[in-house]
Amino acid sequence: AQTVTQSQPEMSVQEAETVTLSCTYDTSESDYYLFWYKQPPSRQMILVIRQEAYKQQNATENRFSVNFQKAAKSFSLKISDSQLGDAAMYFCAYSRSSNTGKLIFGQGTTLQVKP
Amino acid sequence: KAGVTQTPRYLIKTRGQQVTLSCSPISGHRSVSWYQQTPGQGLQFLFEYFSETQRNKGNFPGRFSGRQFSNSRSEMNVSTLELGDSALYLCASSLAGRSDNEQFFGPGTRLTVL
Repeated sequence: AQTVTQSQPEMSVQEAETVTLSCTYDTSESDYYLFWYKQPPSRQMILVIRQEAYKQQNATENRFSVNFQKAAKSFSLKISDSQLGDAAMYFCAYSRSSNTGKLIFGQGTTLQVKP
Repeated sequence: KAGVTQTPRYLIKTRGQQVTLSCSPISGHRSVSWYQQTPGQGLQFLFEYFSETQRNKGNFPGRFSGRQFSNSRSEMNVSTLELGDSALYLCASSLAGRSDNEQFFGPGTRLTVL
């Protein structure tokens, strides 16, 4: 069975600084997708960034980038120039590459941004 | 486009009762997935419906069931409620329910079982 692990329950960063959230996963599949979702307090979960396992190039979306290490089964999220609005719970998620809407989530990391 | 909507937003029930939660996906989306979010267990997949058929199912007891209508709206039902069913229930919709389709989440229904 596939599993996703986030070992950092809480992280904090100073505004304008850079922070990295960690995620590891376990799967026997060779083709899959990895995601980072953001869940602000009392607000809807939104997709931050997505990585296809067959792509070697790390995904980037503005201030958000990932470090995807397929062999190590590691998928970390780097947030540059942190802003107060980045404060939220971040979930790493896995999906098999198939016709499925099933996401397997990690436990989440609560990110605090200090002004 | 309107986002994913869930009704009701808050619900209080007592043990033994049953409850029905509703999810309206984004227009044109055919896949709806349901998740249970609790502080202890995190986010757990319940089931997914695509074109009115259950396509995937998580490890939840049979008390948890769902269905999808021809307009893609989905409902989930929990019978014989237990205290442990207290949670935030999230639904997410996607265009075709493929792995590379972005899932859009609703605001959730907060269920409290007393």
